Amino acid sequence: DGGITQSPKYLFRKEGQNVTLSCEQNLNHDAMYWYRQDPGQGLRLIYYSQIVNDFQKGDIAEGYSVSREKKESFPLTVTSAQKNPTAFYLCASHLQEEAFFGQGTRLTVV
Amino acid sequence: KQEVTQIPAALSVPEGENLVLNCSFTDSAIYNLQWFRQDPGKGLTSLLLIQSSQREQTSGRLNASLDKSSGRSTLYIAASQPGDSATYLCAVRGTYKYIFGTGTRLKVLA
Repeated sequence: DGGITQSPKYLFRKEGQNVTLSCEQNLNHDAMYWYRQDPGQGLRLIYYSQIVNDFQKGDIAEGYSVSREKKESFPLTVTSAQKNPTAFYLCASHLQEEAFFGQGTRLTVV
Repeated sequence: KQEVTQIPAALSVPEGENLVLNCSFTDSAIYNLQWFRQDPGKGLTSLLLIQSSQREQTSGRLNASLDKSSGRSTLYIAASQPGDSATYLCAVRGTYKYIFGTGTRLKVLA
């Protein structure tokens, strides 16, 4: 089936450690996005990419990095510079007007 | 700067009741508005997409309207069921990105 796959579903990070969240789509969508969701807050945009080998910072990019080497893949790295990384991370893609989301990765700092 | 507000933040209704969820936005220059459903710990599921030139969209028991001039959208749910219990999010799309409201948490009591 077509869709967006995020992995892992749960991820634990130690202080000072970098971790990478995976997002893969087989929808042939050009645009992909990473959002962060915190309790009681709306989704906030971290990074987005409209085409392979190109990406832009969103509203809260500090402490995060991305790459877009393939159309299907848009991995997000949470670096040690991100001081409060515990959150629910959502990947999305869109075709023309409609956005589609993955099932999310819950990241916890231990 | 676009801001999206959803009222109420939480709603509890008895099964069978018709209900309306509200979404307001500050900048009417939008490409579209999309309503999503989110179950606890899950990603977002698209419910309805309204293009900027449209006034409403319907899918089953759901009807969404859009009034760009007043910066408002409503999601109407007919004959609510316990399975409708979830958080409902609206998002408006600008040039490149979506701006989300903080959601309405709906609970339908059996």
